[in-house]
Amino acid sequence: AAGVIQSPRHLIKEKRETATLKCYPIPRHDTVYWYQQGPGQDPQFLISFYEKMQSDKGSIPDRFSAQQFSDYHSELNMSSLELGDSALYFCASSVSTIGTSGIDTQYFGPGTRLTVL
Amino acid sequence: AQTVTQSQPEMSVQEAETVTLSCTYDTSENNYYLFWYKQPPSRQMILVIRQEAYKQQNATENRFSVNFQKAAKSFSLKISDSQLGDTAMYFCAFMRTLTNTGNQFYFGTGTSLTVIP
Repeated sequence: AAGVIQSPRHLIKEKRETATLKCYPIPRHDTVYWYQQGPGQDPQFLISFYEKMQSDKGSIPDRFSAQQFSDYHSELNMSSLELGDSALYFCASSVSTIGTSGIDTQYFGPGTRLTVL
Repeated sequence: AQTVTQSQPEMSVQEAETVTLSCTYDTSENNYYLFWYKQPPSRQMILVIRQEAYKQQNATENRFSVNFQKAAKSFSLKISDSQLGDTAMYFCAFMRTLTNTGNQFYFGTGTSLTVIP
């Protein structure tokens, strides 16, 4: 079965540079979530999109922005990178069950490991 | 606000034995969903099991089962016949559905499980 695809898998940047992470959800999934997981930390929710609209916002810095495109893929743009941005960034996708009794289960991609030097 | 608490940062179990990981949560919602995710050393987030709050029957997936106590807001994971491949970080997660705008998802801080040969 198709899974969530994230690219790139590894990324090395210098301080103050920009980075763009991409996420391709499972086909027919309409919701995308972004998480940041620092070393030894639990995943921290950044932002989510449902049907190309931002649906929820977590602890995403103002230096970061994201969007979901017409084909449902999503991109996380990170500017003015700082050393503390070094982390594993997960994307997850799901089929929204709004208005139904189903479970909106999130399926995670393999993550993008960002290292800021 | 919703919170998810995993009070056991580290646990170990002998191969073939049974282990139970604890999770408690706090919410004023009546309808929500609970999940256990496994994160092995590869850092991939893998769904282990899920539970709808409106279902009294505990979910079971092969060697994995949960003890869901809604009144006590407890959602423990039992792993039977532990295998070396079960060694991983386990995250408990809570999800509530926001009307028409998607879901909010909360992770616990994780329990690191080591299966000893």
